[in-house]
Amino acid sequence: DTGVSQDPRHKITKRGQNVTFRCDPISEHNRLYWYRQTLGQGPEFLTYFQNEAQLEKSRLLSDRFSAERPKGSFSTLEIQRTEQGDSAMYLCASSSHESAEAFFGQGTRLTVV
Amino acid sequence: DQQVKQNSPSLSVQEGRISILNCDYTNSMFDYFLWYKKYPAEGPTFLISISSIKDKNEDGRFTVFLNKSAKHLSLHIVPSQPGDSAVYFCAAANINMEYGNKLVFGAGTILRVKS
Repeated sequence: DTGVSQDPRHKITKRGQNVTFRCDPISEHNRLYWYRQTLGQGPEFLTYFQNEAQLEKSRLLSDRFSAERPKGSFSTLEIQRTEQGDSAMYLCASSSHESAEAFFGQGTRLTVV
Repeated sequence: DQQVKQNSPSLSVQEGRISILNCDYTNSMFDYFLWYKKYPAEGPTFLISISSIKDKNEDGRFTVFLNKSAKHLSLHIVPSQPGDSAVYFCAAANINMEYGNKLVFGAGTILRVKS
């Protein structure tokens, strides 16, 4: 297992378009997190899955954002009707049930033009 | 409301000397603390962590110190190497083994190690 994998690495989209990102966690990890990072800031929590259940969502996650984790394996994060303020690095992380340490993927850099 | 603060945006250190990165937190419910390192265009990489029941944790060149009464932690890197040049993030969590552990991050400190 090579760690947490995210796809695509970069996405440029026009305002108003929908985008979808994928995250493949470390295979034995049952917990999966999405974070967003903007320039000069640390990552901010968006949402969390334990297996296939979405257990927590940040108030940062507007109605235009939706995340899924079917079958408790990979996860997708969709942003509908993108806005320029959505431009950021979207990070996925996973952890095991026994550990607090989260391991991050390389992120998807979204640019909305 | 910044619950985790890294007040030094940047730090420059000579190779071979000690690097000390600081972090303060305000939420007394936090009971687990982590340091991550991040290179440009990559995701954060876990470095070292400490539970609130300890005041020190060491791993090779990296040592984290926790002062609960001051709500302060620090990361010491000794000796510093040019490859340590990166952004360092402090993160905190309220451990919940039942429901998972979202991390609250500071804004980061850019460390430059000069050779």
